[in-house]
Amino acid sequence: DAGITQSPRHKVTETGTPVTLRCHQTENHRYMYWYRQDPGHGLRLIHYSYGVKDTDKGEVSDGYSVSRSKTEDFLLTLESATSSQTSVYFCAISESTSRGDTQYFGPGTRLTVL
Amino acid sequence: QQQVKQSPQSLIVQKGGISIINCAYENTAFDYFPWYQQFPGKGPALLIAIRPDVSEKKEGRFTISFNKSAKQFSLHIMDSQPGDSATYFCAASNAGKSTFGDGTTLTVKP
Repeated sequence: DAGITQSPRHKVTETGTPVTLRCHQTENHRYMYWYRQDPGHGLRLIHYSYGVKDTDKGEVSDGYSVSRSKTEDFLLTLESATSSQTSVYFCAISESTSRGDTQYFGPGTRLTVL
Repeated sequence: QQQVKQSPQSLIVQKGGISIINCAYENTAFDYFPWYQQFPGKGPALLIAIRPDVSEKKEGRFTISFNKSAKQFSLHIMDSQPGDSATYFCAASNAGKSTFGDGTTLTVKP
């Protein structure tokens, strides 16, 4: 998985509780992304980062926040989890070059909100 | 607003057959078109990619055909094998951001 780890790998939580997912990379890539994957919806971008402390919203950012204080770590926080946020979350990294923007994905975190 | 449309949603092919998955995009600013392969319980992984200055790219049994004027590209898997059974995503990217199709679940029957 190209030097990308995600933690936790599985989590069950209750509605209304805060949840933080962590993505850690050892590749020193500039770009980091958080996606959610749901049946029939493919991969939808939640937030992404193009550098330390530089982040931007994706297409499904409502209810999520992110932080990147170090190149290697990108945190995704659900301030108050809802059942609609039950999903598989993937972190990805990329080093945009003249050859293209290949993204390398982590193993995923399966989150269940009861 | 879906910028990348992928079809079919699912595909069943006999071993040795040809699998074809199609994608269409809208934004002409996209300049990189990768295909990702995902096995159950794993993250997607790059399979093959193409840039818009070429019309075809082949790597082993996998070929991307690209039609810039039609804003369409497709993945062809020749001599499909049961081990190719997976979900395939097309994507279109520019300046560090990618937009993905909804995925195609391929089943290759022995």
